[in-house]
Amino acid sequence: DQQVKQNSPSLSVQEGRISILNCDYTNSMFDYFLWYKKYPAEGPTFLISISSIKDKNEDGRFTVFLNKSAKHLSLHIVPSQPGDSAVYFCAARSGGYNKLIFGAGTRLAVHP
Amino acid sequence: EAGVTQSPTHLIKTRGQQATLRCSPISGHTSVYWYQQALGLGLQFLLWYDEGEERNRGNFPPRFSGRQFPNYSSELNVNALELEDSALYLCARGKKGQEAFFGQGTRLTVV
Repeated sequence: DQQVKQNSPSLSVQEGRISILNCDYTNSMFDYFLWYKKYPAEGPTFLISISSIKDKNEDGRFTVFLNKSAKHLSLHIVPSQPGDSAVYFCAARSGGYNKLIFGAGTRLAVHP
Repeated sequence: EAGVTQSPTHLIKTRGQQATLRCSPISGHTSVYWYQQALGLGLQFLLWYDEGEERNRGNFPPRFSGRQFPNYSSELNVNALELEDSALYLCARGKKGQEAFFGQGTRLTVV
């Protein structure tokens, strides 16, 4: 039972354009959502998060949008840079101290 | 930030053997999470320890076990290794309500 789904295994974007990574969830008890970036041979690195009481959080080039009614969140990267090429995981948690449930990841390739 | 260190970085074992993976503590982070990332798959939750106790475990057989020590470091043990246990094992440290910080992982190969 996949509670967090990233339906696009890969995404290719031109440098300077916007990258939009999507994530859907099924558990309405999730109240905190996170995005992680992962390079090969490294552990995931925290990128940005959003609480369920918000619908948007912005940090530099990264913005996360949350649509609770649709149980959908997205990560926008603008402008995209070649160094953004990595696998992006969305994750969700219910309760402040609970485990993170991860999606399968989306591989982003930003090309010149 | 993180400073989460996992050892060893690579481990090769034969089928049926046992593997022990380690995760270092971070001051103030009492929780440790273990995840498995098999080839082509996302991160699958394995175990969660806090204050030395197992708080939750994922959908893995009992031969996956672990413990957390008084200094909050942690071990993951995998007994009776099977070929499909080959994966990247990630440890994450966490505080309540905050993001988890991951180590670089241990690449376990079972031959």
